Amino acid sequence: KNEVEQSPQNLTAQEGEFITINCSYSVGISALHWLQQHPGGGIVSLFMLSSGKKKHGRLIATINIQEKHSSLHITASHPRDSAVYICAVPEGPIIQGAQKLVFGQGTRLTINP
Amino acid sequence: SQTIHQWPATLVQPVGSPLSLECTVEGTSNPNLYWYRQAAGRGLQLLFYSVGIGQISSEVPQNLSASRPQDRQFILSSKKLLLSDSGFYLCAWNTGTNYGYTFGSGTRLTVV
Repeated sequence: KNEVEQSPQNLTAQEGEFITINCSYSVGISALHWLQQHPGGGIVSLFMLSSGKKKHGRLIATINIQEKHSSLHITASHPRDSAVYICAVPEGPIIQGAQKLVFGQGTRLTINP
Repeated sequence: SQTIHQWPATLVQPVGSPLSLECTVEGTSNPNLYWYRQAAGRGLQLLFYSVGIGQISSEVPQNLSASRPQDRQFILSSKKLLLSDSGFYLCAWNTGTNYGYTFGSGTRLTVV
């Protein structure tokens, strides 16, 4: 069973700060997902990456497959970035194209103005 | 474009009452469909997934069941709700392991 750990669990920062959220997993994977959960509960998929780095606006996700570690960075953070950020990795066999995800506990990010 | 609809957004139900949550996907064919639950203070847990009409796989024993009567419709049900069924229920879909997941907006269920 893949164990997924995120750190920190909670993070409070001032607007404009550079944010880093970390995710480690125990079993090798094909791809890792970063998700954003807003206070209302809805979840948005931010990235799916299997190697290297991806960038979307002020968000950057990196992954090191050998070290089983991924980071999510937010540059020039803004109060609207306040949310729970969750990493997830696939687990188990692929059955007809479907594979379940195992989720980290999430990192609650609060950006103060 | 592909969209996913999930309703209702919020639900308060008494213990022992039935439950039916519906999820529909638009803009894609033969998606893999998933039901996840997030209990208070805990991470997301997979409840059911489906790779096709009438094909349901259950991940954890529980008081819930799922059905897929149509290609793009996924229903989560219970005959008699328990207090422990309270939580945030999310529907999601993808079309293979090379593609990301799309999540619905979720249903917050409170069993009283």
